[in-house]
Order: sequence, then structure tokens, then C-alpha cells
Amino acid sequence: EAQVTQNPRYLITVTGKKLTVTCSQNMNHEYMSWYRQDPGLGLRQIYYSMNVEVTDKGDVPEGYKVSRKEKRNFPLILESPSPNQTSLYFCASSLDRGTGELFFGEGSRLTVL
Amino acid sequence: GENVEQHPSTLSVQEGDSAVIKCTYSDSASNYFPWYKQELGKRPQLIIDIRSNVGEKKDQRIAVTLNKTAKHFSLHITETQPEDSAVYFCAASILHTGTASKLTFGTGTRLQVTL
Repeated sequence: EAQVTQNPRYLITVTGKKLTVTCSQNMNHEYMSWYRQDPGLGLRQIYYSMNVEVTDKGDVPEGYKVSRKEKRNFPLILESPSPNQTSLYFCASSLDRGTGELFFGEGSRLTVL
Repeated sequence: GENVEQHPSTLSVQEGDSAVIKCTYSDSASNYFPWYKQELGKRPQLIIDIRSNVGEKKDQRIAVTLNKTAKHFSLHITETQPEDSAVYFCAASILHTGTASKLTFGTGTRLQVTL
């Protein structure tokens, strides 16, 4: 089954404790991206990647890091989480360099205390 | 960068009525405009998209129109049903040859279809 898988789905952590949200897709998509969803603000792009070892900042990259060492994986790293990073995070992938259909993961709800 | 504004933020219609959601974009170079539907607790899913070389696209009860001159596009849902209740996001992006494009989303419209 074609899918985008994120883990963990739910996480409560404390300020400053490094965490990684994993994202994996099995569709051989070139394009992958991370979004955060906050009430009233919609979906805001954090980082995106066109292919292996190629990443670029989105609209709200501060406080986040990503890597793309393999085509299927695109982890989101919060080196020192802060409460303002409490949000619902979505990973997404697309075959067509971001202009085709985006396939979203199920989302990861992160709470930073 | 691109800015996408979406209105209204909430919309309530009676079952069977039509619903219209409108978006404006700022960058005249944008050439791809998808619409995503997000049901409660679920992931966003693409429902329809339009590229700048056409003015309208229909798929059963949903349609999207694009006015490039005015830089706005709209989602039209006819004969609304309870299962249409969801949050709808518009988006815009620019296709760069050889590089990844950046998709900018609107802030979403919560549509509620009442019986």
C-alpha cells in the first residue's frame, strides 16, 4: 500500500530535549516536505527536499533541521524544542517536484512543556 | 514570497445548497493551484487542482475557477452533503524548471453542512 508513515504520532516532551520525528514514504517520490498546522494559520512549510542531499527552507524553518540521506526518509529534527513548537506536524511527499499531488502522512502531534 | 489569503474562515450551509470558498494569491508567477480537504482528525487530501493554462475545472460536484488577471481562484461545491463537512485548504505554487517548487497554503475554511 502506497503511504507516508510518520512516527511518533503523539509526543509530549520538555523544553530542550532533542527529538526526531521520522518520515518514510514507499512511493519512490523525489519531493518530500514538512508542514506544521496551527489553528488559524493553516499549513506552513518548514523544510522541503527535492531529492537526496538536497534540502531547502520553507516559511518557518527556525528551530528545525532536516536531512535527506535516503530517498525514502526525511526526518525532522528539533535540536532544542521550545513550547512554541507545540503543533501538529505533517510530512508529505510528491512525485512531481511539489506541483503534483501531495501525499500526507497521518500527522504527529507534538507538545513541548 | 507568495502569500495566499483564503475566505471565509468558516462557512455553514444547508444540505443541498452550494458552497464557495475564495482564495487570492500575490505572486503572478504562480501556476499551480490545488485544493485539499481535511476531515476531522485526518490528513489533508487533494480533491482538485488547476493549472494556469485553464480557467475552470470540474469533477462531479466540485469545480475550481481561476482568474489570473485578478489573481484569485475559487472552489465551488454544489449539492452539498454532510460528508462535505471538513476544513478546505487552497494553495499556490510556482513551477521552477529543474528545481522544487514551494507550495504555500491558505489558512483554511471550515465548512459545515447542516441537515
